[in-house]
Amino acid sequence: GAGVSQTPSNKVTEKGKYVELRCDPISGHTALYWYRQSLGQGPEFLIYFQGTGAADDSGLPNDRFFAVRPEGSVSTLKIQRTERGDSAVYLCASSSQTANNEQFFGPGTRLTVL
Amino acid sequence: AQSVTQLGSHVSVSEGALVLLRCNYSSSVPPYLFWYVQYPNQGLQLLLKYTTGATLVKGINGFEAEFKKSETSFHLTKPSAHMSDAAEYFCAVISGGYNKLIFGAGTRLAVHP
Repeated sequence: GAGVSQTPSNKVTEKGKYVELRCDPISGHTALYWYRQSLGQGPEFLIYFQGTGAADDSGLPNDRFFAVRPEGSVSTLKIQRTERGDSAVYLCASSSQTANNEQFFGPGTRLTVL
Repeated sequence: AQSVTQLGSHVSVSEGALVLLRCNYSSSVPPYLFWYVQYPNQGLQLLLKYTTGATLVKGINGFEAEFKKSETSFHLTKPSAHMSDAAEYFCAVISGGYNKLIFGAGTRLAVHP
């Protein structure tokens, strides 16, 4: 079956622009996570959705970052007024329930802010 | 708060040699521990996980890891390296009730003939 997909695979933008990154989780997975992986680092947690609601957004670095999941499936990570420091690979993962089940990761979106 | 330390950002072994990738964790509660592998331009793939029960955990591709509470370690091993094992490996611990993963900085494994 289909895994987690993310679009676009690469995004190049200019400083100050707005970007949206999309995640399609595995069908039926209620839990969805966003992580950010900077060069040479491990992924860092950004936000977690259970269904449509953001249950934990403690990892969002500032108010320029926002994420939605309006129908409990596809999620969009939105970054306003991008900065060069936002350049990273943004990873999405989904899992079937919250009880320590495996998170399945997408291939990521590589964001480059010039 | 939970944290993960991976000793050695780069490890190089010969094909057929033992692979040992080190991971130490810090956790105030019984930890759930994971090893993920990341091949170039691909997403993270779960190698193995420890939740409860047997402390020696076997995963895919011949890898295994042993949870040692007294040493707060979860080192990853494979008896005989293969060229296809070259990748980046991440150790992770679950943090909090929402199962968010806290990752180490990763270890890049190189396998040479």
